[in-house]
This record gives sequence, C-alpha cells and structure tokens, in this order.
Amino acid sequence: DAKTTQPPSMDCAEGRAANLPCNHSTISGNEYVYWYRQIHSQGPQYIIHGLKNNETNEMASLIITEDRKSSTLILPHATLRDTAVYYCIVTSGGSNYKLTFGKGTLLTVNP
Amino acid sequence: DVKVTQSSRYLVKRTGEKVFLECVQDMDHENMFWYRQDPGLGLRLIYFSYDVKMKEKGDIPEGYSVSREKKERFSLILESASTNQTSMYLCASRGTAVTDTQYFGPGTRLTVL
Repeated sequence: DAKTTQPPSMDCAEGRAANLPCNHSTISGNEYVYWYRQIHSQGPQYIIHGLKNNETNEMASLIITEDRKSSTLILPHATLRDTAVYYCIVTSGGSNYKLTFGKGTLLTVNP
Repeated sequence: DVKVTQSSRYLVKRTGEKVFLECVQDMDHENMFWYRQDPGLGLRLIYFSYDVKMKEKGDIPEGYSVSREKKERFSLILESASTNQTSMYLCASRGTAVTDTQYFGPGTRLTVL
C-alpha cells in the first residue's frame, strides 16, 4: 500500500469548513483513498473513500487531484464534535487487507 | 448501520491471568480483525479471520491467540497476560467486496498490573 503524508495538526473555527490534506504520491492505479477519524478513546470511524472521482456523503466530501497524488477531505461545517485525529489511508482493498494507520492529523475545532 | 460491539470498554487484569476479549458484529461480515493501538505506534494488526474457524497472523501475534467458532463472533485470547500487553484493543469487521469498508468497535482499554 502507498504511504501517505498528513500534517500533524490543524485548527478550524466552529461552523467553518475544515480542509484536511493528504499526499499519496506513490499511489498506484488500483488503490483507493480512505478516510477515517478517531475521537479520543473511541474506535476509528469510517468517513469516506474514493478512487479517482470526487465523492460526497452526509459526513464529508473527498476531493482527489487528477493525478491522484493528493486528496483533501472537506468537512463543510465543522462542529466541536469533529475534533478528532483524521487518518488518510491508501489501500488496494481485497478480502483480507489490513489497514495501516499513520499518525494522522489532529483537527481541533475551536468555538 | 453496521454495529461492532466489544465485551468491555475497560478491563483490569493481573499478570499471568488468561484474558478473553470478545467482539460481535451484526452485518454477516466474513472478515474480522483484532488490532492494538499504542501511543506513537499506531494501529497494529494482531490477527484476522476471513471465515469461521479460519485465521491468519497479523504483524504482532506473539502472546495472543484467537477463536472464531461463529461468523459473528471473534475472540482474542491473551494466554498469560503481561504488562506489555496493556493497550487499547480494537476489533473490526468487513465484507468481501474490494471497496467494502472496515468498521470498528468502540475498543477495550486493557490494563495488566
């Protein structure tokens, strides 16, 4: 699986959009980009994933660059409950894949 | 919604005890996983199972065993708990399609004294 690089921390004001970047320059053609988050002392929570098209669901939007070497997770209206560590993971999937979580980005949403 | 439950949120055991951590999922997923999470080390895969009675070692299986007698239940066993097994243990489950997502339980924070 390709390696990812994320900033260690970011701040965001409540109600504003949070844009979390991820670099995955060695991603290969069959690898997906997944985003999870982990609120303190809880299990990781799936947010969204994509291959090459932009994706949106009720939680967030995922923007993947045309060359697929980077992506951005967008939380359109951040709330205090969105404070968490956000992990960007690149994986080819398959029935027995494991997830490799890096250090992620600690997003702090401030009132 | 997928639900993955773990038997305990917090557990305190003594060195040498046999410890059972239970995980149950309600989505008929074939694949189930046990990870541990430690500060600075991220998530590390201990074992996974791709079917009933089938298991494979992950990255750090030493000191652990697993059991999967029923599809919905995956147990992690610490044969003789040691202090270096103090950690957050996370169970996850997943279907078999390539894009299936891995869903995690709430975690069990185990302290071995």
